[in-house]
Amino acid sequence: GQNIDQPTEMTATEGAIVQINCTYQTSGFNGLFWYQQHAGEAPTFLSYNVLDGLEEKGRFSSFLSRSKGYSYLLLKELQMKDSASYLCAVLDSNYQLIWGAGTKLIIKP
Amino acid sequence: NAGVTQTPKFRVLKTGQSMTLLCAQDMNHEYMYWYRQDPGMGLRLIHYSVGEGTTAKGEVPDGYNVSRLKKQNFLLGLESAAPSQTSVYFCASSYVSNGGEEGYTQPQHFGDGTRLSIL
Repeated sequence: GQNIDQPTEMTATEGAIVQINCTYQTSGFNGLFWYQQHAGEAPTFLSYNVLDGLEEKGRFSSFLSRSKGYSYLLLKELQMKDSASYLCAVLDSNYQLIWGAGTKLIIKP
Repeated sequence: NAGVTQTPKFRVLKTGQSMTLLCAQDMNHEYMYWYRQDPGMGLRLIHYSVGEGTTAKGEVPDGYNVSRLKKQNFLLGLESAAPSQTSVYFCASSYVSNGGEEGYTQPQHFGDGTRLSIL
């Protein structure tokens, strides 16, 4: 079967750095997406990785290792508004997105 | 700049009732999707469409039907609502550049969701 694993919940302090991990086992791989979802709102696109390595976008970076079936989202200089769920999703061999259950990130002052 | 609009935002139904959820996008996207999101689970694909007049089943299609009569609209129907269909429903759309693989790697844009309760 296909499986995406993420921690259920993480807590971090405002101004700090946090790394949210995602491991996957899917039938094929055509890229990995990270989305942010604030409570009661729609998911919004953060990043896309298809090749190994680190992609940086401002305070957010995303890393991919295809051989390990592993990705992480790195958030720097955390702000209170970063409190949200972070969803990892993999595009499988049928070009369908397989979604993880999401990681709820709690930022404390 | 409406993006993806879903109606209604909230609805309470009784078991056995039927209803239609409407999704409209103004980005001229080819691809449209219907997902459900339940606590502790990832988004699950119900049905999707790769273009006007075409639809396909996703991971959890049973109990739902869809139609894509116009490119900008994607309708999700519940013929006979069941309590197990209580969920938050999200519509999404994505762009296709020249078709094929590249289109699938475009990010999906989501509507604000419909919170549906079946009693």
